[in-house]
Amino acid sequence: QSVLTQPPSVSGAPGQRVTISCTGSSSNFGAGYDVHWYQQLPGTAPKLLIYGDNNRPSGVPDRFSGSKSGTSASLAITGLQAEDEADYYCQSYDTSLSGWVFGGGTKLTVL
Amino acid sequence: QVHLVQSGAEVKKSGASVRVSCKASGYTLSGLYLHWVRQAPGQGLEWMGWSSPDSGGTKFAQKFQGRVTMTRDTSINTAYMELSRLISDDTAVYYCAGGPPAAPTRVWFDPWGQGTLVTVSS
Repeated sequence: QSVLTQPPSVSGAPGQRVTISCTGSSSNFGAGYDVHWYQQLPGTAPKLLIYGDNNRPSGVPDRFSGSKSGTSASLAITGLQAEDEADYYCQSYDTSLSGWVFGGGTKLTVL
Repeated sequence: QVHLVQSGAEVKKSGASVRVSCKASGYTLSGLYLHWVRQAPGQGLEWMGWSSPDSGGTKFAQKFQGRVTMTRDTSINTAYMELSRLISDDTAVYYCAGGPPAAPTRVWFDPWGQGTLVTVSS
């Protein structure tokens, strides 16, 4: 049972917009702490996609965006492409655990 | 740009220990906050602990306390994670990852090593 809750799967057709939700609590990003997102392609290490709620590292397309409100955060992907098919994870710091926590991950399928 | 390269796959017996290395290039390890994250087969990511570059201090997730150590050899720019008293549930890919010098509530993980598969057999 992950501290941060994500839907197990989402799907969308090429060109569409999809969102992946991440629900936290008052002991993590609900307290205002930053939320970050990672993309993990099959058989590879995770890659930082969004940091500090809504910032993209250099090289990440602007099709990817993050948002946060209260105990909910979202990753949005517009103009869906086949290469976006991957697992996506949210991450934050949790004061009750005194450590960093991840969501359970969401598998994105491009139809 | 920081690049992290990890040691190769390991197969261990239950009860044994495993040590995974993580070599940094493009940046001195003595200035890098280093985290360890693992991923069991078909499962999500689990943060294990981190080591600070300042004093070499460490902090571990409660689940791993007493079983994990994290060390550094700055002369060869390499960090190590050792997990003892292995059980089958420790079978996972272990990643090292860098973290920014920021308050814990702002920390993200980047870059990541390529991962090291540790298989624990009985």
